[in-house]
Amino acid sequence: AQKVTQTQTSISVVEKTTVTMDCVYETRDSSYFLFWYKQTASGEIVFLIRQDSYKKENATVGHYSLNFQKPKSSIGLIITATQIEDSAVYFCAMRPNMGYKLTFGTGTSLLVDP
Amino acid sequence: GALVYQYPRRTICKSGTSMRMECQAVGFQATSVAWYRQSPQKTFELIALSTVNSAIKYEQNFTQEKFPISHPNLSFSSMTVLNAYLEDRGLYLCGARDLRTSGNTLYFGEGSRLIVV
Repeated sequence: AQKVTQTQTSISVVEKTTVTMDCVYETRDSSYFLFWYKQTASGEIVFLIRQDSYKKENATVGHYSLNFQKPKSSIGLIITATQIEDSAVYFCAMRPNMGYKLTFGTGTSLLVDP
Repeated sequence: GALVYQYPRRTICKSGTSMRMECQAVGFQATSVAWYRQSPQKTFELIALSTVNSAIKYEQNFTQEKFPISHPNLSFSSMTVLNAYLEDRGLYLCGARDLRTSGNTLYFGEGSRLIVV
């Protein structure tokens, strides 16, 4: 069974700074996908970025990037130049390559202050 | 880009009544649709996975009798919560992906919030 752990319950940063959110996972699968989503105040779940376990390069999309440390089963999310609109709850999730179930972490609430 | 629309966004229903929610994929073909429930405590539970031309697979603690799902084509799915009670409240999320193009990312809609009174 997979398990995803986000130990940071909430983070508060000042606008335009960089923030890192932690996520560790447990799996017996050799191939898997790791995702970060954010949930807005309205409840909408927005896909942000994905890391395929077989890729060594850290994924980057816009001002989101990942710090993938496979030996540590860790997939941190880095948001650079944060904006007030980045305030949301961020969920880390994983899915085995041959499976269908997406397992979510418990979320990290990010507040970006002006 | 891939978009998933869900409606209604919010429903208040009396205990024992039912709520139907719909999920529409735009810009891609939803060969696989997963229905999740997010509890008031923010944890996610997978209810069922529906793949076109395959039987719907329900997770433990969820049944077709309680959560019937329809997935008639590659852009639409619906789920009903029958005889809703307090323990059924939460945010119901539809996630869709296109298996045929090796779509490994699940795209979610805005969710349908069920409030039971």
